[in-house]
Amino acid sequence: SQQGEEDPQALSIQEGENATMNCSYKTSINNLQWYRQNSGRGLVHLILIRSNEREKHSGRLRVTLDTSKKSSSLLITASRAADTASYFCATDAGGGNQFYFGTGTSLTVIP
Amino acid sequence: DAGVTQSPTHLIKTRGQQVTLRCSPKSGHDTVSWYQQALGQGPQFIFQYYEEEERQRGNFPDRFSGHQFPNYSSELNVNALLLGDSALYLCASSLLRIGYTFGSGTRLTVV
Repeated sequence: SQQGEEDPQALSIQEGENATMNCSYKTSINNLQWYRQNSGRGLVHLILIRSNEREKHSGRLRVTLDTSKKSSSLLITASRAADTASYFCATDAGGGNQFYFGTGTSLTVIP
Repeated sequence: DAGVTQSPTHLIKTRGQQVTLRCSPKSGHDTVSWYQQALGQGPQFIFQYYEEEERQRGNFPDRFSGHQFPNYSSELNVNALLLGDSALYLCASSLLRIGYTFGSGTRLTVV
C-alpha cells in the first residue's frame, strides 16, 4: 500500500480563499515533499520539509510537519484559478531511493 | 536549460506487445527514476538507475525492465503488455539522488 494518504480527496473553493490539504504517512521519514500535477501531466515540485523541521514557507505555500502524528499539511493562501490541480505528498520512508506518493487531493479553485 | 524530456508523449499498444519509453534527464543530472501512475492514483516507484545500473526496484514484475546509457538517458521496457499496464509513466532525474525533476510523462494505453 502507498505510504502517504491525502485528505480530502477533493476540495472546491472560491478564488481568494485558503486551501488546506493534509497528508498522513505510516513509517519514519527523512523528508516529505509536496508536488502539484496539472491534468495528469508531470509533477511539479512545490516544497520539501525535513523531518527536523516543523514549518516551512514558500510564497503562498505553508507546509507543516508533525512527525509524532506522522502527518503534514499544505496551506495555499489567497488561492487563484491557476492553483487548480492535484496535489500529492511524497515521503522517502526512511531514506530509500524511492518516493512513496499518496493518492492526491484534487483542488478546484472557482473564479 | 532543458528539463526532463520523455518520448513519446502518447502511445497505444495491443495486449501482448512490447513497448519502450525513453527519458532524457535534466542537464547535469546522473540518476533516473521511473514511476507508474494509474488513473486517479499517485505515482508508484518502478526502479532507479544510477551509473548504468539498477539501484533500487519497486514492486513490479520482471516484465518491466530498464536501461541507462553512458549519457545518463534511460529507457523503460515493458514486455507482454496487459490492460492494467495502461498508465502515465513518469521519469524523474536527479543529481546524486538529490533534487528530483519530473518529466511530463508518457501516456500508455493498452487495448
